[in-house]
Amino acid sequence: GAGVSQTPSNKVTEKGKYVELRCDPISGHTALYWYRQSLGQGPEFLIYFQGTGAADDSGLPNDRFFAVRPEGSVSTLKIQRTERGDSAVYLCASSDHGLAGGDTQYFGPGTRLTVL
Amino acid sequence: AQSVTQLDSQVPVFEEAPVELRCNYSSSVSVYLFWYVQYPNQGLQLLLKYLSGSTLVESINGFEAEFNKSQTSFHLRKPSVHISDTAEYFCAVSAYMDSNYQLIWGAGTKLIIKP
Repeated sequence: GAGVSQTPSNKVTEKGKYVELRCDPISGHTALYWYRQSLGQGPEFLIYFQGTGAADDSGLPNDRFFAVRPEGSVSTLKIQRTERGDSAVYLCASSDHGLAGGDTQYFGPGTRLTVL
Repeated sequence: AQSVTQLDSQVPVFEEAPVELRCNYSSSVSVYLFWYVQYPNQGLQLLLKYLSGSTLVESINGFEAEFNKSQTSFHLRKPSVHISDTAEYFCAVSAYMDSNYQLIWGAGTKLIIKP
């Protein structure tokens, strides 16, 4: 079956611009996660959705970052007024339930964001 | 705060030699432990995980990891590596924080196989 997909695979933008990153999870997965990965580091948690609602957004660095999942499937991560420090690979993952800590998360290939 | 330490950023090893990738975590509560692997130009995928029961867990491609509660470690080992094992390996801990489980990740270890 289809895995997690993310679009675009690469995004280059200028400082101050607005960007949207899309994630299409595995069909039927209720939990969806966004992470950010900088060079030489592991993924850093941003936000977790259970269905349509954000169950934990404690990882969002500031109010320029926002994410939605209106129908409980596709999610969009939105970044306003981008800064050079936002440059990273943004990863999306989904899992069956998300309510139990032992769930396996299935990752997409990521979107590489470069802010010039 | 929870943290995961992968002590080596890179581990070079000859083909068919054994390897150990080290992972330590800080936690005073029960956790679930994971190793994920990222092959060149691919996304992260689960290699193996510890939830409960036997402290030794195995993957289908010959890797194993042992949960050591007293040392808060979850080191990954393979008795004989192959060129196809070239990848970056990430250790992660799932811990209950602020009413939800969160995955806390190590910085990764690049396994470099020398022919």
